[in-house]
Amino acid sequence: AQTVTQSQPEMSVQEAETVTLSCTYDTSENNYYLFWYKQPPSRQMILVIRQEAYKQQNATENRFSVNFQKAAKSFSLKISDSQLGDTAMYFCAHNYGQNFVFGPGTRLSVLP
Amino acid sequence: ETGVTQTPRHLVMGMTNKKSLKCEQHLGHNAMYWYKQSAKKPLELMFVYNFKEQTENNSVPSRFSPECPNSSHLFLHLHTLQPEDSALYLCASSQEIAASNYGYTFGSGTRLTVV
Repeated sequence: AQTVTQSQPEMSVQEAETVTLSCTYDTSENNYYLFWYKQPPSRQMILVIRQEAYKQQNATENRFSVNFQKAAKSFSLKISDSQLGDTAMYFCAHNYGQNFVFGPGTRLSVLP
Repeated sequence: ETGVTQTPRHLVMGMTNKKSLKCEQHLGHNAMYWYKQSAKKPLELMFVYNFKEQTENNSVPSRFSPECPNSSHLFLHLHTLQPEDSALYLCASSQEIAASNYGYTFGSGTRLTVV
């Protein structure tokens, strides 16, 4: 079964600090892609960062970076210099066929 | 401009009503999707359309009826819903189905409450 687990339902971080969100997944595919989406109170899901499973180098997008451990099927998101606008639900996902499998989400609150 | 626009933003309907959700994308994408987002549950794929043709129905009850008249518009027709159908309904699009590895563009959703 294709599953995505996010073990932290809620997290908080002080503004300007660094926070790491955890994600593990289970897939039978060999080539796949992993994603982190952000859903702010406006409700629109926004793609934060994307990782190709066959690439060993961790993806980075400005203040957002991932720690991809393929053997462990782990894909954590690190947010550096957290900003108030980072407050949102964060969903980890991977593509499977013509679909995505999403995790249950982590609610991140950035505190002033 | 998000690229994917959903209307209405909020909808309250009785169990005997008939209503429709609308999704429109101006990105030139050929694949469109309906997702259901319930509290404390992962996003659930409902329907997939590719070049106006339905390619997936994820065991969705017949009280949900999708329609895709062209590649830019997607509707979800609702009738005789149940209170447990209350959720956020998200529309998404991608260049094509095989391009799901590039991620989707999502709309802001319709918050549906069935009373």
